[in-house]
Amino acid sequence: AQSVAQPEDQVNVAEGNPLTVKCTYSVSGNPYLFWYVQYPNRGLQFLLKYITGDNLVKGSYGFEAEFNKSQTSFHLKKPSALVSDSALYFCAVREYTGLQKLVFGTGTRLLVSP
Amino acid sequence: SQTIHQWPATLVQPVGSPLSLECTVEGTSNPNLYWYRQAAGRGLQLLFYSVGIGQISSEVPQNLSASRPQDRQFILSSKKLLLSDSGFYLCAWSETNTGELFFGEGSRLTVL
Repeated sequence: AQSVAQPEDQVNVAEGNPLTVKCTYSVSGNPYLFWYVQYPNRGLQFLLKYITGDNLVKGSYGFEAEFNKSQTSFHLKKPSALVSDSALYFCAVREYTGLQKLVFGTGTRLLVSP
Repeated sequence: SQTIHQWPATLVQPVGSPLSLECTVEGTSNPNLYWYRQAAGRGLQLLFYSVGIGQISSEVPQNLSASRPQDRQFILSSKKLLLSDSGFYLCAWSETNTGELFFGEGSRLTVL
């Protein structure tokens, strides 16, 4: 069965510094990988996805993620963090040929300090 | 463009009362539809998903049920709520081929 691990409950970073939120996955075939962001009491917003092609995927709000097949990872990155980036971030995976459902990680809270 | 509406946004219900949360999608046809529950502001648990009218798959045995009476309408129900049903419920839709989900704004249910 497919699964996603987000090993960090929380990531703290100073504004202007680069940030990384980690994600590793497990699927039996080729993965579809996604990142979402959630602000308090709101639904999840789609940030970016990897389906196929370039390993570096660029998404909304300056975020990007790198697909690494050998390490089964899909870490979320941003070169310069903003205070407004503070939120809950979810990684998700779907098998390429699997049922149309996503499996989500447990989420990582990002806190960006001024 | 596609939009998803979910209501009510907030609900406080006594134990043993019924529940109905509704979700509708506009601007697309034959979407896949999903209900997730988020407990304690963290992990998401898939409750139900549907690939077509009247087709419901349940992921977790529980006190809840789902129905899809129309192509773009998805309803989450319960006949008798339990305290453990409290949580933040999220409806989502996806297009068939990409699997990318688009979420509603959520419904916060408190069972007292």
